Amino acid sequence: DAGVTQSPTHLIKTRGQQVTLRCSPKSGHDTVSWYQQALGQGPQFIFQYYEEEERQRGNFPDRFSGHQFPNYSSELNVNALLLGDSALYLCASSRHSGWGGYTFGSGTRLTVV
Amino acid sequence: GENVEQHPSTLSVQEGDSAVIKCTYSDSASNYFPWYKQELGKGPQLIIDIRSNVGEKKDQRIAVTLNKTAKHFSLHITETQPEDSAVYFCAVLIKAAGNKLTFGGGTRVLVKP
Repeated sequence: DAGVTQSPTHLIKTRGQQVTLRCSPKSGHDTVSWYQQALGQGPQFIFQYYEEEERQRGNFPDRFSGHQFPNYSSELNVNALLLGDSALYLCASSRHSGWGGYTFGSGTRLTVV
Repeated sequence: GENVEQHPSTLSVQEGDSAVIKCTYSDSASNYFPWYKQELGKGPQLIIDIRSNVGEKKDQRIAVTLNKTAKHFSLHITETQPEDSAVYFCAVLIKAAGNKLTFGGGTRVLVKP
């Protein structure tokens, strides 16, 4: 059974550009959350999607947006990239009715130059 | 919002010794407390979790204890092995507020052979 799959694994973008990251959740999971992990820090919650709607949002500007598709997969979009957006972006899936039970992907390493 | 403090930030132990990592949280409504292990180039992996109606949980060499009154919880690893070397994160979740995890800053554990 495949776990959480994220693509791409690495990405280099220029300041001001836009980027789209993708996530396929673990089989049986219906909720997708996105986290940003700066080097040497714990993951920070960006937002969470359930039933194709954003359900919760962390303290991130609206340059960060997302989408969830009917098959539960999700995208994270970041516009007008800043150098400070360089980080590991983690996708985690879970069951909405469950307790925690997060499964994390290996992340997308985004470097903004 | 919820705040999670994790100590120490780095921990070096001799193989076979025990390692203890402590976390404190601010919101007394928190009711789910997972611990994650993150190895280089990978996403966080759940190693043990505890819910607020339980004071202690053990799984082989790993145990977690929870003190709800003092709002702190700890990870105990006994008989450490070199493969236990990694970064460990505590996290908290308030189930009624959705499946949003708030992470501590992480502890880098080095087990010396």
